[in-house]
Amino acid sequence: DADVTQTPRNRITKTGKRIMLECSQTKGHDRMYWYRQDPGLGLRLIYYSFDVKDINKGEISDGYSVSRQAQAKFSLSLESAIPNQTALYFCATSDPDRGTLETQYFGPGTRLLVL
Amino acid sequence: ILNVEQSPQSLHVQEGDSTNFTCSFPSSNFYALHWYRWETAKSPEALFVMTLNGDEKKKGRISATLNTKEGYSYLYIKGSQPEDSATYLCATRLNAGNNRKLIWGLGTSLAVNP
Repeated sequence: DADVTQTPRNRITKTGKRIMLECSQTKGHDRMYWYRQDPGLGLRLIYYSFDVKDINKGEISDGYSVSRQAQAKFSLSLESAIPNQTALYFCATSDPDRGTLETQYFGPGTRLLVL
Repeated sequence: ILNVEQSPQSLHVQEGDSTNFTCSFPSSNFYALHWYRWETAKSPEALFVMTLNGDEKKKGRISATLNTKEGYSYLYIKGSQPEDSATYLCATRLNAGNNRKLIWGLGTSLAVNP
């Protein structure tokens, strides 16, 4: 079984709809991240959470919100989806205390299309 | 603005060729340099993490070196195989307290022709 899972894997929605992307992990890591990837722009950080009570904005948080329901779950919401939020979204985890120098472990990605 | 730059942007080689590409990063406040491999339709997967100037890491036919003083890392692939086709990402982490986020490069896309 995958250590970091994302649901759904693909989603098509319409402008103005609210959608939620979910991420779950079994690695026991405290730190979780949401990225989006657009062609030619690389990975850009949306939000990150260092523990259940610590949530921080990344470089492109406008239009997004997150919820850290538990150590293992970190959800990303688009309150009112717009076409330029069409992208590939990745969830990732890391643990600073296990000698990995905070190597990040990625989920399989969610491909979102906003019409 | 802190940038991580990777070159070349893309590369096409023949099976059996050896190849290398570069990651350049800010040398001040350096903490760690990560290399990831990202195959199409999959998620990025960690290859190496390096911290010390002069570090060298190796995994099979892939190796990496690190120069923190001048701010660059090289990734080498010896005897490329079609299964090496992927985008290779580097990311640097600066020593900025507890909020040591990764700064990502755009990647080098490698295509190995059989």
